[in-house]
Amino acid sequence: AQSVTQLDSQVPVFEEAPVELRCNYSSSVSVYLFWYVQYPNQGLQLLLKYLSGSTLVKGINGFEAEFNKSQTSFHLRKPSVHISDTAEYFCAVKRSTGFQKLVFGTGTRLLVSP
Amino acid sequence: NAGVTQTPKFRVLKTGQSMTLLCAQDMNHEYMYWYRQDPGMGLRLIHYSVGEGTTAKGEVPDGYNVSRLKKQNFLLGLESAAPSQTSVYFCASTLLGVTGTKTDTQYFGPGTRLTVL
Repeated sequence: AQSVTQLDSQVPVFEEAPVELRCNYSSSVSVYLFWYVQYPNQGLQLLLKYLSGSTLVKGINGFEAEFNKSQTSFHLRKPSVHISDTAEYFCAVKRSTGFQKLVFGTGTRLLVSP
Repeated sequence: NAGVTQTPKFRVLKTGQSMTLLCAQDMNHEYMYWYRQDPGMGLRLIHYSVGEGTTAKGEVPDGYNVSRLKKQNFLLGLESAAPSQTSVYFCASTLLGVTGTKTDTQYFGPGTRLTVL
């Protein structure tokens, strides 16, 4: 089975500062990895995903993530955050073959202040 | 194209009451999912469906039932609500369940906030 750990439940940061949200996963088979964002009182939407190929994945709103197989990590980064990036961010994993359900982490709340 | 819609948006129930949450998608997706979201626990899969007329249990199915009579609709039922079912419920859908560059994205509805007193 797959599992995801998001160690930081909350990350406060000032506007225009860089940010990194950490995600580590556990799996005995190859996986696909995802980051979803949830703005207040809304559903989740896909930020980016890693399926194969380049380990550096670029997503919407200036976010990017790097897949590191040896460290089983998929950390999300943004070089300069905006107030509008305040949201909850979820890392998720699924097996890369066959039908498998997405397994979500517990989420990291990004709080951007002026 | 409305995507994934959920009704109702909010509901308050008393313990023991029943209700049905409706999820509808207009993207002709095969797979549909029901999740619950609780503070500090992320999203947990309740039930899912791989096609019209088929359903399967997720990780937290107890106390819930589902039906997929039409491809575009996925209903979540609570037969006898309990305070432990107070949560935000999200429906999602994907084009297919098998992996592929176009098929892995889950599209989420806006959620239903349910309170059981």
